[in-house]
Amino acid sequence: DAGITQSPRYKITETGRQVTLMCHQTWSHSYMFWYRQDLGHGLRLIYYSAAADITDKGEVPDGYVVSRSKTENFPLTLESATRSQTSVYFCASSESGYQYNEQFFGPGTRLTVL
Amino acid sequence: GESVGLHLPTLSVQEGDNSIINCAYSNSASDYFIWYKQESGKGPQFIIDIRSNMDKRQGQRVTVLLNKTVKHLSLQIAATQPGDSAVYFCAEGSGSYDKVIFGPGTSLSVIP
Repeated sequence: DAGITQSPRYKITETGRQVTLMCHQTWSHSYMFWYRQDLGHGLRLIYYSAAADITDKGEVPDGYVVSRSKTENFPLTLESATRSQTSVYFCASSESGYQYNEQFFGPGTRLTVL
Repeated sequence: GESVGLHLPTLSVQEGDNSIINCAYSNSASDYFIWYKQESGKGPQFIIDIRSNMDKRQGQRVTVLLNKTVKHLSLQIAATQPGDSAVYFCAEGSGSYDKVIFGPGTSLSVIP
């Protein structure tokens, strides 16, 4: 499928467990991003990546780990999930890191940590 | 009319009417603004952008107005349709995505 996909779409886990959210894009975009969206708040940037093997922290990186071994994949791992990480997570990609290049978002993963 | 719900402000409009969604941005140094549409269960989708050297920009059925004096942005949707029902939010930045601030959004409900 073309575009940007995320899996799973829904996930329920327990406190302390490790969870990995997957993101895959088919455009060969250089930049990829992970955001969380909480009700009443705007999107908040967790991590982003400018290219394979290049990642950087965003506004709220604590408790998350990312990797980017291939241009098309950008997994997000919660090493030890906490209830405060219950949220909807969006992956996005863009040709560049600049706003004049449109950012394309995936459909999101709704994560519940019990 | 417009009301502030438990989490998101909401705006209800009659089909065919024009909608105006407002956004107050926070950083006077921001010079690039984007409006997004987010339908239920989907990711955000770019609608229109505007740079700080402009005060108005038009797209297909949408117009964005920028008032830098009062740090205010608005999105006007002409002849609102049921498919326009979604959450709309603005984003402000200075060019790079790692510094973008996203607003919480306004929920638009179109009454058939």
